[in-house]
Amino acid sequence: DQQVKQNSPSLSVQEGRISILNCDYTNSMFDYFLWYKKYPAEGPTFLISISSIKDKNEDGRFTVFLNKSAKHLSLHIVPSQPGDSAVYFCAAGRSGAGNEKLTFGTGTRLTIIP
Amino acid sequence: ETGVTQSPTHLIKTRGQQVTLRCSSQSGHNTVSWYQQALGQGPQFIFQYYREEENGRGNFPPRFSGLQFPNYSSELNVNALELDDSALYLCASSLGSNGYTFGSGTRLTVV
Repeated sequence: DQQVKQNSPSLSVQEGRISILNCDYTNSMFDYFLWYKKYPAEGPTFLISISSIKDKNEDGRFTVFLNKSAKHLSLHIVPSQPGDSAVYFCAAGRSGAGNEKLTFGTGTRLTIIP
Repeated sequence: ETGVTQSPTHLIKTRGQQVTLRCSSQSGHNTVSWYQQALGQGPQFIFQYYREEENGRGNFPPRFSGLQFPNYSSELNVNALELDDSALYLCASSLGSNGYTFGSGTRLTVV
């Protein structure tokens, strides 16, 4: 039962253009969402998050959009840079669950082409 | 401020053996979570410890067990290893709901 889905295993984008990574979820109890970035041989690092009471959160080049009715979120990176090449994981959590369990998607490998 | 440290970085074990993985949480973090990341998959929640007590468990059998110590460091123990236990095991520490800091993981290979 894959509650968080990232349907694109890979994405290639030209340097300087916009990268858009997508994520869908099925559990309507999720009320906060996060994006993590992972380089080889390193643990995931937190990128940006959004609460379900918002539909957009921006942090520098990174913007996350949340469409609750469609149970869909996306991460926009603009402009894309070579250092953005990594695997990106979408994750979701429930603030009332009593713990901080996150449910992750399977990841999207982003390659920025110089 | 040190981050999350996991040891060992790599490990090879034989089916049926037992393994212990270790994690030192980030300074000041009182919650530790363990995740299993199989090849091509996202991290899957194993369990979480808060102030030395288990605080939530994912869909993993009882042969996966853990401990958290008074200094908030943690161990993950897996008994009766199976080939499918081969994965990257990630430890993450946190303080309240301020988000995780992940370690670099332990790559376990079961042969």
